[in-house]
Amino acid sequence: DTEVTQTPKHLVMGMTNKKSLKCEQHMGHRAMYWYKQKAKKPPELMFVYSYEKLSINESVPSRFSPECPNSSLLNLHLHALQPEDSALYLCASSQDRGQEAFFGQGTRLTVV
Amino acid sequence: GQNIDQPTEMTATEGAIVQINCTYQTSGFNGLFWYQQHAGEAPTFLSYNVLDGLEEKGRFSSFLSRSKGYSYLLLKELQMKDSASYLCAVRHTGGGNKLTFGTGTQLKVEL
Repeated sequence: DTEVTQTPKHLVMGMTNKKSLKCEQHMGHRAMYWYKQKAKKPPELMFVYSYEKLSINESVPSRFSPECPNSSLLNLHLHALQPEDSALYLCASSQDRGQEAFFGQGTRLTVV
Repeated sequence: GQNIDQPTEMTATEGAIVQINCTYQTSGFNGLFWYQQHAGEAPTFLSYNVLDGLEEKGRFSSFLSRSKGYSYLLLKELQMKDSASYLCAVRHTGGGNKLTFGTGTQLKVEL
């Protein structure tokens, strides 16, 4: 199994909603990432978890809240988002520090 | 800080060879990755360089010069399916697994 699985694939939410994005991998990777990608732009790092602990937060607004319940799962909780937060949210994982990252297919988020 | 630059767009002919350059300025370099991303899909890993020199993998090769802050991705025997965005990404020292992507190069392969 060399897949990173993200759900849902598409999400439309209002600015007052609370929703969660989910990411799962069963490759035994101990580093997991959230990236945000706007159209025709490169992915921008949001958060990194290493061994289930948050190691990097790239000054992401608190309306995005990551959670790593165990070594296979990574969530991104969303609350009170803005329309400009609409983007493709990519999850990735890697074996250990700095190894190649495998990406999920992403969640296409639209905030209305 | 960091700055990673790539050409925005390139066009090449099917069967030809194309070289996509990436220059970087970063405080603490610990490896460079190349990813391919088709529209609407996830990035997929192509190659990795941490030492100077050329890494070859089938039709794809990647070169790194750390002293010059320069890398390139070489694609041979181009196929139409190679039309995609190509992203170089720099891994940073200091732990934490930080990976920063360049601006991306949109490659169009024509007949």
